[in-house]
Formats: sequence, structure tokens, C-alpha cells
Amino acid sequence: QKEVEQNSGPLSVPEGAIASLNCTYSDRGSQSFFWYRQYSGKSPELIMFIYSNGDKEDGRFTAQLNKASQYVSLLIRDSQPSDSATYLCAVKAGSARQLTFGSGTQLTVLP
Amino acid sequence: DAGITQSPRYKITETGRQVTLMCHQTWSHSYMFWYRQDLGHGLRLIYYSAAADITDKGEVPDGYVVSRSKTENFPLTLESATRSQTSVYFCASSDNGNHQPQHFGDGTRLSIL
Repeated sequence: QKEVEQNSGPLSVPEGAIASLNCTYSDRGSQSFFWYRQYSGKSPELIMFIYSNGDKEDGRFTAQLNKASQYVSLLIRDSQPSDSATYLCAVKAGSARQLTFGSGTQLTVLP
Repeated sequence: DAGITQSPRYKITETGRQVTLMCHQTWSHSYMFWYRQDLGHGLRLIYYSAAADITDKGEVPDGYVVSRSKTENFPLTLESATRSQTSVYFCASSDNGNHQPQHFGDGTRLSIL
């Protein structure tokens, strides 16, 4: 079992819809959770992080964390074609000194 | 301009050759990282550094060597390149202690024939 799992997609949503990206992790001691966006052929960029159970909102992005169920989600409201990218989930386990990345979910927002 | 610069952007070499990928940052961030990205594997940490002269292994360090004599530079050397090291390599930096890369370079696409 991979430590951090994401559905590779591709996930397609129409413009204006809510895109929901999910990530599950295996280490119950994980403390910190991050979402990176990566456009095709470009480098990743950090867009969200969350440490506590519940929701964290930043503009059109909402990160949701449920430690009991060991999943973290990223919601993108009012999706735009410019949101089309691969979204990488990364998790820092409690005892680890480094992040473990999922393999990413490719999102396509259709005009 | 401030930022993180990787060179070269593209490199083709042969098995057994030594290759050095350069990384330079202008923010004076303490932490620097080297990742490789392969299809289906996401980003995997090769080495990281918490400060000048302090380096540590990541998830996949075999076949790689790093050094950090100055805060701003963090070169990655493949001592004897193998085909399995064909990948896209990203350097990253961070100014916090959370071992979380904040800023990535544009990457080096390395092909080993």
C-alpha cells in the first residue's frame, strides 16, 4: 500500500463547477498536509496546507482534513480552465522529517 | 531577480558519466531539497539540506552526492549515471523548519542513454 494515494484521474469538470480532489494516507501519526499544483511541464507550487481537522479556506480553495478517516481533500469552487493542472498531495508523518508525495491527480476544467 | 535557478534545463548524457546539476537560490533560505519526478511516482526526495555543510539523505539517495558549502548553492552529482536515473529533477527551498518545500526551480530534464 502506498503511503499517500491519489486517484490519478483524469478528472474532468465543467467550468464553474466544484472540483473535488481526494488523498488518503496510511500513517495515523501524520501531522501536516499540503497541496501543490503543477501545470504541465512546469514545477510544483504550494497552494494550501492544513494541520488541524476540519476545513481551511483560501479564496476558491478549501482544504478538508479528516484524521480519523485518514483523508485530506481539496475543493476548488467556481473552477476555471486555468485550474487545469495536476494536483499533488503531500503528507508529513509525525516522526518523519520529510514530505511524502502522492502521484497526483490530473484535473481538466472544460470551458 | 530573486528566485531559485536550476541549470542546465536539459541534459543528455551516457551511462557511466558523471553529471552535476546546479541549483542556486537568492533568498538565503535555510532549507534546500532535491527531488526527482517520474511518471507514476510523484516527487521523491533525494537529499535535503538544513543549512550550509548540513545534508541528509531522503527517500532515494543511492547513486547521488550533494554538497552545500554555501547557503545559496546546492549541487547534485550523479557519480556514474545509470538509465534508471533518467528523470526530471527539481530543486526546492524553504525558510521554515517544517521540511516543506515552498519554492521550486524550473527543473532539469535529464536523459541517460
